[in-house]
Amino acid sequence: QSVLTQPPSASGTPGQRVTISCSGRSSNIEHNPVSWYQQLPGTAPKLLIYDNNQWPSGVPDRFSASKSGTSASLAISGLQSEDEADYYCSSWDDSLNGPVFGGGTKLTVL
Amino acid sequence: QVQLQESGPGLVKPSETLSLTCTVSGDSISGYYWSWIRQPPGKGLEWIAYIYYSGTTYYNPSLQSRVTISVDTSKNYFSLKLSSVTAADTAIYYCARVRSTGYLDYWGQGTLVTVSS
Repeated sequence: QSVLTQPPSASGTPGQRVTISCSGRSSNIEHNPVSWYQQLPGTAPKLLIYDNNQWPSGVPDRFSASKSGTSASLAISGLQSEDEADYYCSSWDDSLNGPVFGGGTKLTVL
Repeated sequence: QVQLQESGPGLVKPSETLSLTCTVSGDSISGYYWSWIRQPPGKGLEWIAYIYYSGTTYYNPSLQSRVTISVDTSKNYFSLKLSSVTAADTAIYYCARVRSTGYLDYWGQGTLVTVSS
């Protein structure tokens, strides 16, 4: 069972906007930055968002994220077929003294 | 561009020790934290351990009794040893660089380790 809670699946049609939620607790999300990772089939996770809402170089601004209290969310606008992947949220956990992850959300582009 | 490459046996027998190495290229291993993460087939990500280039180590409490992480700054790599493995340790093992606010900015491609006799 993952420390952070994500919905197992999400879906949308091309061009739509979809959001993925991530719920945690005071030892992680509430007091530490959240990051998001995209894992395309058969590949390693790739950093998508860091420090709650920052983009690494090369990540399109169709991807955005926010945090409030013990929850965070990732939004993908202008959905494209290549966005079909698993998405993981993560945050530092002060109790564990290490990173914790959500269980992942499988995004399907219909 | 920083690149990480995992290497090690793809098959380990039950009760034996899993040993993996992560070779870092494109940047020095010095000045950063480095981590191992694993992903059982079809499942989510689990943090195993991380190490500062100076050698300070941090372990996931659930695995701490079986895990050792080490670093060799002269050869720019870090390593993982997981002892007394069982089928539950079958997973893709990733190495990654950890930044100061806890995110993982560069990942290796991953290596599948199967525990089976």
